[in-house]
Amino acid sequence: DTGVSQNPRHKITKRGQNVTFRCDPISEHNRLYWYRQTLGQGPEFLTYFQNEAQLEKSRLLSDRFSAERPKGSFSTLEIQRTEQGDSAMYLCASSQPAGTERFFGPGTRLTVL
Amino acid sequence: KQEVTQIPAALSVPEGENLVLNCSFTDSAIYNLQWFRQDPGKGLTSLLLIQSSQREQTSGRLNASLDKSSGRSTLYIAASQPGDSATYLCAGHMEYGNKLVFGAGTILRVKS
Repeated sequence: DTGVSQNPRHKITKRGQNVTFRCDPISEHNRLYWYRQTLGQGPEFLTYFQNEAQLEKSRLLSDRFSAERPKGSFSTLEIQRTEQGDSAMYLCASSQPAGTERFFGPGTRLTVL
Repeated sequence: KQEVTQIPAALSVPEGENLVLNCSFTDSAIYNLQWFRQDPGKGLTSLLLIQSSQREQTSGRLNASLDKSSGRSTLYIAASQPGDSATYLCAGHMEYGNKLVFGAGTILRVKS
């Protein structure tokens, strides 16, 4: 395991459909983060997990968004009833229990038509 | 309001030049500062993390400094190469909570 992995790398969907993304963190990292990045901007924080507990959620995370980390390992981010404004790069990051350096995955590029 | 600003927004330099990228932040609750590199359409690669107790970090041709009193960080790249072309992002680690606050990035192009 050399880093954070995300699947799929690209997703094209029609407006109104549901999509789910997966993130596998670095194996010894118990902290996991989701960010969203739109073109020309820096990533924006969405949510944070410590083990399986979701401890922080941004106001950006509307009711259509839900994230889980059921066994404290991989995480999923689901978007229901997608809108064109959801088109973005969704990035996952992880960090060690006592560390602060964040390591990011390659991202999932979502395009909503 | 938490805000991180990066200047310049874009920079084009000839190969071999030394350069400095600037990052400023207004929130005193930012305690660590992390620099990332992002290639087009890709994720973020961590370059350097400067903890609040440190003033600078070095890795190869990269040197990053942090001055919390003035709310500034700089990333110095020595002897730039075409392979350094990418977007460079700085991010502040918030003292309260667990999020990073990012700047919009500096797009660097090193011409051969």
